[in-house]
Amino acid sequence: QVQLVQSGTEVKKPGASVNVSCKASGYTLASYYIHWVRLAPGQGLEWMGMIDPSGAGTSYPQKFQGRVTMTRGTSTSTVYMELSSLRSEDTALYFCARGAISVTPYCFDCWGQGTLVIVSS
Amino acid sequence: DIVMTQSPDSLAVSLGERATINCKSSQRVLDSSTNKNSLAWYQQKPGQPPKLLIYWASTRESGVPDRFSGSGSGTDFTLSISSLQAEDVAVYFCQQYYNFPPTFGQGTKVEIK
Repeated sequence: QVQLVQSGTEVKKPGASVNVSCKASGYTLASYYIHWVRLAPGQGLEWMGMIDPSGAGTSYPQKFQGRVTMTRGTSTSTVYMELSSLRSEDTALYFCARGAISVTPYCFDCWGQGTLVIVSS
Repeated sequence: DIVMTQSPDSLAVSLGERATINCKSSQRVLDSSTNKNSLAWYQQKPGQPPKLLIYWASTRESGVPDRFSGSGSGTDFTLSISSLQAEDVAVYFCQQYYNFPPTFGQGTKVEIK
């Protein structure tokens, strides 16, 4: 059974960084892109970028360049998303999602359960 | 970036009735080389992550009930639920994957009347 399991809720102060993990099971991590998408209160879904776990190549939209870093674990089926310089507007539910390689890597066929990140002083 | 705009923001439909959600893109998302529209629909139930329902504007993902259908081309798309069931209460999002970066609509909340 294909599954993505994320780390738990994080509470951070403004200016800090947060690191969220996403562990894949039921398939070979290297075969599919992993994307990060967030859902802020009252907002729509927002794509934050992707990592190709086979070669660790990444792609980020301009909005998050310089503030987000996506990496892969060295010995586990895990990828990580670090977001720095946190501000209150970053309070959101963060999801990792698998690219649907049979359709297009930018359509998402399996999602993690979500990680709530709260940014508050 | 391509802006995706959904309408309405919310709707209430009686059980067994049809629900229709619209999605409009600021640019065409038709890939002329494949003649396919790069448009997906997702369903997000309360407390759950989004679930892929439809891709290429009208292809149902495996396991999705056939009461869900997608249509449209170019810049205007529709998700229809032919006979609303209680388990269909959710927020529905459209997404374009034609241009970088992929972008989503703001979501449409479907409730039971």
